[in-house]
Amino acid sequence: GNSVTQMEGPVTLSEEAFLTINCTYTATGYPSLFWYVQYPGEGLQLLLKATKADDKGSNKGFEATYRKETTSFHLEKGSVQVSDSAVYFCALSPNNAGNMLTFGGGTRLMVKP
Amino acid sequence: SQTIHQWPATLVQPVGSPLSLECTVEGTSNPNLYWYRQAAGRGLQLLFYSVGIGQISSEVPQNLSASRPQDRQFILSSKKLLLSDSGFYLCAWSTGMDEQFFGPGTRLTVL
Repeated sequence: GNSVTQMEGPVTLSEEAFLTINCTYTATGYPSLFWYVQYPGEGLQLLLKATKADDKGSNKGFEATYRKETTSFHLEKGSVQVSDSAVYFCALSPNNAGNMLTFGGGTRLMVKP
Repeated sequence: SQTIHQWPATLVQPVGSPLSLECTVEGTSNPNLYWYRQAAGRGLQLLFYSVGIGQISSEVPQNLSASRPQDRQFILSSKKLLLSDSGFYLCAWSTGMDEQFFGPGTRLTVL
């Protein structure tokens, strides 16, 4: 079956530090991949996505590249801000099952000033 | 543009009481609709999804049920709440292609 594995948090960084949150997946075929962000007390917001191998999704300074050879979709940001503190979820959508999303367990990011 | 609403935003209910959470979507037709639960500090658990009026699929057997009385309305219910039903309930919609769009959530506390 499909699965998504994320690094466990919390990840604690100082402001302006470099961020990497690892995400690897298991799926048949060519799934679409997503990063969602959840700010405290809110629902999930789509942060970025990639629909085919070697695609790079980017938004708000965050980037992730769809690596089929390593089945990974790691989230990166060059310089984090306190306002980036949130929980980040990696997810996949199989290409032949409508859009039933499989989520990773989430990674909490805490950025200190 | 499309928007998704959930209410109430917060709810405190005693054990054994009934539950009704509502989700409505605006600006789209025939969306796929989803109910998720997020326990404290945990990931997302898909509870129900619906591809059309009256069509409900359950992912996890439990004392919750879902209904879709109208195209853009999705309701989560329970006849008798358990302590373990506490959590953050999220509704989501999609067009059936790739990403899902989430509502603001309902925080349920069962005492």
